[in-house]
Amino acid sequence: DGGITQSPKYLFRKEGQNVTLSCEQNLNHDAMYWYRQDPGQGLRLIYYSQIVNDFQKGDIAEGYSVSREKKESFPLTVTSAQKNPTAFYLCASSSLGGLDYGYTFGSGTRLTVV
Amino acid sequence: EDQVTQSPEALRLQEGESSSLNCSYTVSGLRGLFWYRQDPGKGPEFLFTLYSAGEEKEKERLKATLTKKESFLHITAPKPEDSATYLCAVQAEFNNDMRFGAGTRLTVKP
Repeated sequence: DGGITQSPKYLFRKEGQNVTLSCEQNLNHDAMYWYRQDPGQGLRLIYYSQIVNDFQKGDIAEGYSVSREKKESFPLTVTSAQKNPTAFYLCASSSLGGLDYGYTFGSGTRLTVV
Repeated sequence: EDQVTQSPEALRLQEGESSSLNCSYTVSGLRGLFWYRQDPGKGPEFLFTLYSAGEEKEKERLKATLTKKESFLHITAPKPEDSATYLCAVQAEFNNDMRFGAGTRLTVKP
């Protein structure tokens, strides 16, 4: 079955530590996105990528980094510069130009600072 | 700046009690308005895309409508399994991403 796989489902980060969240899709979608979700707030865009080896900052990119070395993969690194990283992180993908089916989302990674 | 406001924040219904969720938006040229359903601890699931004022789409007990300033998600005779958070999002004409509202948390009691 085609879809998006995010791992791990739960992640714990110590102060000063970098962590990487995985996102893999087998939908042959060109575009991929990372969103952050906090209680009572809408999804906020961190980064997005429309093509391999290219990505753009979203509204809240500070303290995060991404790479897009393969079409299928778009990992997100939460760096120690991100002061409030505890949140639910969602990866999504879509075909370029076609909005009929919106975005396809993964099941999310819940990151907690300990 | 593009903005999406959803109301109410939370809605409790009895099974079979129909109601509507509101999504007000401001965007510099609408490319599309989207509705998603999100269950606790899971990613959003796509429901509808609406492109222009006057458009309507239906799926089972859900019907989405669109005007130039807002969209409504009508829920007819809801069942407990319709309980979820419903998210609205817009994409502007010259943007490559969606802007989301905070969602409406719907609870349907049997």
